This record gives sequence, structure tokens and C-alpha cells, in this order.
Amino acid sequence: EIVMTQSPATLSVSPGERATLSCRASQSVSSNLAWYQQKPGQAPRLLIYGASTRATGIPARFSGSGSGTEFTLTISSLQSEDFAVYYCQQYNNWPPRTFGQGTKVEIK
Amino acid sequence: EVQLVESGGGLVQPGGSLRLSCAASGFTFSSYSMNWVRQAPGKGLEWVSYISSSSSTIYYADSVKGRFTISRDNAKNSLYLQMNSLRAEDTAVYYCARDHVDFWSGYSFMDVWGKGTTVTVSS
Repeated sequence: EIVMTQSPATLSVSPGERATLSCRASQSVSSNLAWYQQKPGQAPRLLIYGASTRATGIPARFSGSGSGTEFTLTISSLQSEDFAVYYCQQYNNWPPRTFGQGTKVEIK
Repeated sequence: EVQLVESGGGLVQPGGSLRLSCAASGFTFSSYSMNWVRQAPGKGLEWVSYISSSSSTIYYADSVKGRFTISRDNAKNSLYLQMNSLRAEDTAVYYCARDHVDFWSGYSFMDVWGKGTTVTVSS
């Protein structure tokens, strides 16, 4: 089973600032990595797939990078609606499909 | 509009059973593989099960293997999860999620999620 590790667990950021979230895989997942955003009481929403491709309707301030075992989600200028929990998930080698434990982006 | 709507959650005693449903609309359900993913209170996401479009391929997480059964009815645009021998640790919000195949890589990921249904296992 591939273990996904996200850091930090919590990120405190001021509106308008840049946020950088990290995700590491225990073995290579190529570029088969997705990022999801989840707000309280809501379902996860797909942001990024293929490590760097934005899903339909996702604003350009969200960008993904990386391949192999190291990945990054960057939010270039945080808006109020971006404060949420973000999960990475690998789909290269499954079952099982595995998620990171999440990074909470909170208002500083 | 593409939509997934889960139902069937509720309170059940340990050892009991429950059947979850997911109604799909706005897309050709029979062409897509589907998943169940759960989230325990205050915890992260855990993939539970997968079923291919024709039901020919099925996978389960080790934590539910032998207790849960995934199925689908393409004529009714519906996905199901039969949960037996329920335990306290099965308490969670259960989401159904559509599988989308990335044209370029050939790999698939979960692109559309329902709002979830809550299952509570407690005496």
C-alpha cells in the first residue's frame, strides 16, 4: 500500500498571501496524483489531477506540481473561500486508493 | 447537471446491517466506474470500494472486505453498498464518487462526489 504524507498539518495564512502545501508518496506514483478541497459539511471537490491539470472550473490561482514522490499544491493568493482542508490522493497503484491525512488552511 | 445523491444512512447497532444507495443523474451512468469513500467524524478520507461500469471488476479496502458488498443497477442509474456486521469504526459519512479516466494517462481518478450519507454504528 502506498502511504501519502501531507505537510504541514495546519497552515496559517493571511488573505492575499501564497500557500504552499506538500504531499509525499512512499513510492513513486508517477504523475497520477489528485488534490481535493473540502469545506466543513461539504463533499470533497476535485481541484487538480495528473499532478498539475486543473479540473473544470477551478481558478488559475490553484496550481499543482511534482512527479514521482514529491508534490506541491500552491494557492497563489488566498481568497476567503479557499480556507478549507486539502487532501492529496494517488491513483497510480491501487487498490487501495490512498489519501494523505489532509492539510488545513486556516486564516492567520 | 451531473449529480450524485446518497441515501440510506442512519443509526444501527453493532453487528447490524444497512444498505446505502447512490442515485446518479446528468451523465451516462452505465459508462462510468464508481466508488464509495468514507470519512469518520473529524478524520480524513478513506476509500472503501470500487466497481467497474459493467460490474466485472470489484475492489474493497481490507477494512471492509468480507463485510461490505458493492453493486450497481445501470437500468436504475444507481449504486449500492450493502454493509453487514457493522462495527463502531464504520461510523462515518459515506460518499459515492464517479471515476473519470484521464485520456492522456489512461489512469482514473474520482471527479464527482455526492454530498454523502451518515452512518452511525452504536448501541
